[in-house]
Amino acid sequence: GENVEQHPSTLSVQEGDSAVIKCTYSDSASNYFPWYKQELGKRPQLIIDIRSNVGEKKDQRIAVTLNKTAKHFSLHITETQPEDSAVYFCAAKPRGSSYKLIFGSGTRLLVRP
Amino acid sequence: GAVVSQHPSRVICKSGTSVKIECRSLDFQATTMFWYRQFPKQSLMLMATSNEGSKATYEQGVEKDKFLINHASLTLSTLTVTSAHPEDSSFYICSARVGGSDTEAFFGQGTRLTVV
Repeated sequence: GENVEQHPSTLSVQEGDSAVIKCTYSDSASNYFPWYKQELGKRPQLIIDIRSNVGEKKDQRIAVTLNKTAKHFSLHITETQPEDSAVYFCAAKPRGSSYKLIFGSGTRLLVRP
Repeated sequence: GAVVSQHPSRVICKSGTSVKIECRSLDFQATTMFWYRQFPKQSLMLMATSNEGSKATYEQGVEKDKFLINHASLTLSTLTVTSAHPEDSSFYICSARVGGSDTEAFFGQGTRLTVV
């Protein structure tokens, strides 16, 4: 089945700097890759997603890139702010009719004021 | 966005008892819901896919007799942890999607289960 690996597990950046989180997936047929942000004690919330027919997507300070050949995708956050501090999860939707998502192990991002 | 409500948010139970957790889609119908388990500072581990009107599909390594799933209506799925043990203590969270396979998954607020 699908396996998603995520790096780094923790990331500390200075406010205003950029943060990059990387994920790799194993199932070449996976076609949907969302990113979720989970603040402490709260539910995960979608921040951006990308489909396999697109190489890059941007939404204000957040962008995601997808390299299908290498089977990896990355989250880029520019001009980080303290409120960006949270755990970020990448996910992939494996082949098949199920709508399930397989999540990466998560990255704890700390933005230092 | 769509709202998924999970109840209870916290529950403490004694070893050997069973606990039921409810997941409701409040403003949409969900033929499929998903149950995840999250250990402290760890990822969301998919336990099973709940299918309305049919049996749930369990992920490898998840005991179906231990974690009973019922999806009797288009807006409600339940997870029952049977004969709970302290090692079942965890954060359980459900999700549901609106529409097709590549649409946003909405999560419930999660249930913190503590077995004493």
